[in-house]
Parts: sequence; structure tokens; C-alpha cells
Amino acid sequence: KAGVTQTPRYLIKTRGQQVTLSCSPISGHRSVSWYQQTPGQGLQFLFEYFSETQRNKGNFPGRFSGRQFSNSRSEMNVSTLELGDSALYLCASRRTERTEAFFGQGTRLTVV
Amino acid sequence: AQSVTQLGSHVSVSEGALVLLRCNYSSSVPPYLFWYVQYPNQGLQLLLKYTTGATLVKGINGFEAEFKKSETSFHLTKPSAHMSDAAEYFCAVRRSGGYQKVTFGTGTKLQVIP
Repeated sequence: KAGVTQTPRYLIKTRGQQVTLSCSPISGHRSVSWYQQTPGQGLQFLFEYFSETQRNKGNFPGRFSGRQFSNSRSEMNVSTLELGDSALYLCASRRTERTEAFFGQGTRLTVV
Repeated sequence: AQSVTQLGSHVSVSEGALVLLRCNYSSSVPPYLFWYVQYPNQGLQLLLKYTTGATLVKGINGFEAEFKKSETSFHLTKPSAHMSDAAEYFCAVRRSGGYQKVTFGTGTKLQVIP
């Protein structure tokens, strides 16, 4: 059974640009969550989607947005990139809202 | 509200020694508790979880954790450390019930000394 797949694995962007990250959940999983991981702030919750609806949202500015498609795949978009957005972005999927999360390997975003 | 506190951002143990990583949580309702492990430049892998039932939970790679409600703790242990256990470990909590977000601790980096 394939795990959670995140693409791309590595990304370098310039300040002011925008970026889209992709996450394909485990087959049959309907929930996708996104996290930002940095050395200073640790793992911070961005948002969670379940059946194409955003169910939870963390404390991030509106530059961070996401969506989920009917096949449960999810994308996360960050507009007007700042240097502080450099981080490992992790996606996790759950079969239902009550089960444990399985993580992808992450996308390492570097903003220069 | 819910939160997780992991005591010790870095822990060093000798190979073959007991591993003890501490986690305390706060939650206004019965929690679900998790331990994850992360290797460099990788995602998080679930080690074990507590939802309901038996308070001593066994996970992968010889790890186990005990849910102690009176102490609001969920410490992770392994009787004998192996070099391959060197990684960062995260404790996490979520409230029971639907659509609850998971809150992670700040992580503990485990160093295993040969």
C-alpha cells in the first residue's frame, strides 16, 4: 500500500513568489492535514481537510491556503513568499477523523 | 485547549541502556495520545498510540508507553537502546471526538552513544 506522497521534495523560491505543494494521501484516506516544521517553532498545524471541506485551521496568515479535491489529493499554496516561510512542510492523511495520521516525507521549501 | 510538554529537548543514552522520553499533556476531555519518530529529512512515523482501553501501549521497534491519567503523562520507554534509535521523537495529543486537530510537542532528540 503506497504511503503519503508529497511533491516536490525540494523547492527553492524567491521572496515575493508563490508556491504550490501537492499531497496525495494513502488510498482510502479522506482527511489531509498540513504542518509547517521549523527549528524555532517546531511542528505547527496549518489546516485540515476532510471530504473537500476545511475542518480545522491553525494560526497562519491568509497567504497560506489549501484545498482538497474529490480524489482526496490536496494542495497547499503560499503566496507572496517571505524568508520566514522556509521550512519543511509535512502532509498527513487519516482514514477518518478519528484515526491516526500517517505522514509524508515532506517538501523542503527554501525562500531566498 | 490542549497542549503537550516534552521534558528535555536532547537526551543522550548509551547503547543498551534504558530509553525514557517524557511527555506530559493537558486536555479538557479524554485525550488520544501518540508518539512519532522522525529521522533527518524524513516525515514522521507513528510509533504507538493510546485511544482507549489498556493504558500500557506497545509500539514498533520495541518501544512502549504508559498512559497515566493521574499524572497526565505518556512517557515513552525502551529497555535497551540501539544505535538506530537515534532520531527525534514527538509526543502528540488530540481530543477524542471528530475533527480534532493534533497538537505536537517540541520534540526530543535522542542521541545513542556507542
